[in-house]
Amino acid sequence: KAGVTQTPRYLIKTRGQQVTLSCSPISGHRSVSWYQQTPGQGLQFLFEYFSETQRNKGNFPGRFSGRQFSNSRSEMNVSTLELGDSALYLCASSLAQELFFGEGSRLTVL
Amino acid sequence: GENVEQHPSTLSVQEGDSAVIKCTYSDSASNYFPWYKQELGKRPQLIIDIRSNVGEKKDQRIAVTLNKTAKHFSLHITETQPEDSAVYFCAASRQTGANNLFFGTGTRLTVIP
Repeated sequence: KAGVTQTPRYLIKTRGQQVTLSCSPISGHRSVSWYQQTPGQGLQFLFEYFSETQRNKGNFPGRFSGRQFSNSRSEMNVSTLELGDSALYLCASSLAQELFFGEGSRLTVL
Repeated sequence: GENVEQHPSTLSVQEGDSAVIKCTYSDSASNYFPWYKQELGKRPQLIIDIRSNVGEKKDQRIAVTLNKTAKHFSLHITETQPEDSAVYFCAASRQTGANNLFFGTGTRLTVIP
């Protein structure tokens, strides 16, 4: 069974731009959650989607948004990028409680 | 919301010694506490979890203990091996079926051969 797939793996943007990251969950997993990983803050919860509905949201500004499609694939978008948005963005899918993470999308904002 | 604090941030032990990582949480309604291990350059993976109706759980060389009254839980690794070197994250959530884990900031464990 294929794991969680995230694209792109690496990307470089400049301040003010926007970015869209994609996540394909494990087949059959309907819950997809997103996390931001930075060296100082660890893993911070962004949001969780289940059956195309945002079920939970973390404490990030409105520049961070997401959505989920009918096939459970999910995207997250960050608008008006800031230097502090540079991070590894991890997507995770789950069937029950265990999270299965993707390898992440490493975003660098210059 | 939930706030999870994790200590220490770094930990070095000699191979064969034990390692203990401690976490505290703020939300008394949290009742699911997993631990994830992230090796260098790899994705986090669940290694053990505990629910609030259990005080201790063991899986070979790793164990987790939970004190709901004090709102803290700990990871214990015995007979450490070099392959245990990684960053370990504790997390907490309410067991409502929603997967919004609140993670600690991580502990970088180094096992010295």
